[in-house]
Amino acid sequence: GAGVSQSPSNKVTEKGKDVELRCDPISGHTALYWYRQSLGQGLEFLIYFQGNSAPDKSGLPSDRFSAERTGGSVSTLTIQRTQQEDSAVYLCASGNQGTGELFFGEGSRLTVL
Amino acid sequence: KQEVTQIPAALSVPEGENLVLNCSFTDSAIYNLQWFRQDPGKGLTSLLLIQSSQREQTSGRLNASLDKSSGRSTLYIAASQPGDSATYLCAVKNDYKLSFGAGTTVTVRA
Repeated sequence: GAGVSQSPSNKVTEKGKDVELRCDPISGHTALYWYRQSLGQGLEFLIYFQGNSAPDKSGLPSDRFSAERTGGSVSTLTIQRTQQEDSAVYLCASGNQGTGELFFGEGSRLTVL
Repeated sequence: KQEVTQIPAALSVPEGENLVLNCSFTDSAIYNLQWFRQDPGKGLTSLLLIQSSQREQTSGRLNASLDKSSGRSTLYIAASQPGDSATYLCAVKNDYKLSFGAGTTVTVRA
């Protein structure tokens, strides 16, 4: 596609359930990032992929959070046993290797009741 | 650790006035600096990318400058329009990692 695509755009879940968020980066972009933006807050780094490897997972808040990337393309962020404090917008970005420019998706808004 | 600060946090101007948004960062060993726009409930839209070797970039009514040695970037928006109302974010890249400022929320009054 022309841009970074994220799904679902909105997800409402009950506390304790697992959720999966998907990111389709721009074709050919080897770098992929996940960020989290809580209401009225700045962007919080979660994880960075280069190809299928994740050299920096330092931003994942707890072991309930995990992410993978397959085929150097699609990435999935999984949150297990969701908590109310996980409610936020989860943003994915992919990076142009040549210029280093990042392009963001529209985000997945997660609400945990 | 890179710290990015954006001043002011909010700005309200009448239509037609020029906008000046400031971004400062603590570690000058940057790879590039990128300005984004974020509309409410939306993702980030890339506006301008300045490589560390560049002093400025221009796109239409937007011009961004970079002074790496003093750790500053300024985004100028000429002849503001109500459609320019949004939050503007500055992001600094060191190696692979982007550090974001908290943003400047701009309101352009018709």
